[in-house]
Amino acid sequence: EVQLVESGGGLVQPGGSLRLSCATSGIAFSTYWMTWVRQAPGKGLEWVASIKEDGSDKYYVDSVNGRFAIARDNAKNSFYLQMNSLRVDDAAVYYCATRRYYFDHWGQGTLVTVS
Amino acid sequence: IQMTQSPSSLSASIGDSVTITCRASQTVSTWLAWYQQRPGKAPKLLIYRTSNLDSGVPSRFIGSGSGTEFTLTIGSLQPDDFATYYCQQFETLPWTFGQGTKVEVK
Repeated sequence: EVQLVESGGGLVQPGGSLRLSCATSGIAFSTYWMTWVRQAPGKGLEWVASIKEDGSDKYYVDSVNGRFAIARDNAKNSFYLQMNSLRVDDAAVYYCATRRYYFDHWGQGTLVTVS
Repeated sequence: IQMTQSPSSLSASIGDSVTITCRASQTVSTWLAWYQQRPGKAPKLLIYRTSNLDSGVPSRFIGSGSGTEFTLTIGSLQPDDFATYYCQQFETLPWTFGQGTKVEVK
């Protein structure tokens, strides 16, 4: 069974930092692109960032580029989202998901509150 | 690329057939996916590449279209189908989603 478990969300002040983690099991992690998608309260879905299987390619939505950094540790079957200079409009549930183009497995989400 | 879904919400009964439309601001060829999201839950992939059902997705979900106009049809609504549906293009970065269509019980 594929499982993705996010952690690291919480309350942070504007300008602060958080590091989200996504631990995976049940997949050959090192062969998957991995992705973060977020959903502001009561709003729709927004793709945030994706990272290639070996970490050599990374893509970001413009609104987070330069503030967020996606990374992975294939030895730990985990990947991360370092979020710096957080803004009020970054507040959302952050989901980790598998694959690059469309996303076939999702975690349960972790809530980030910026206030 | 901006994705626009219509309607934003609809009411239907068990057994009804419903159709959701997704329009792209420019062509996305057939690089389109559909997701279902139940309240408080993560999205679930239903369809990728316009018309391909993900594993385990019932055949009453049918996707079609190309270019800038796409549809998701749910034939014979079941209780589990009352949810919000999103389209997503993956033709051009940044990948973008529609605003969602909420399917409610009439």
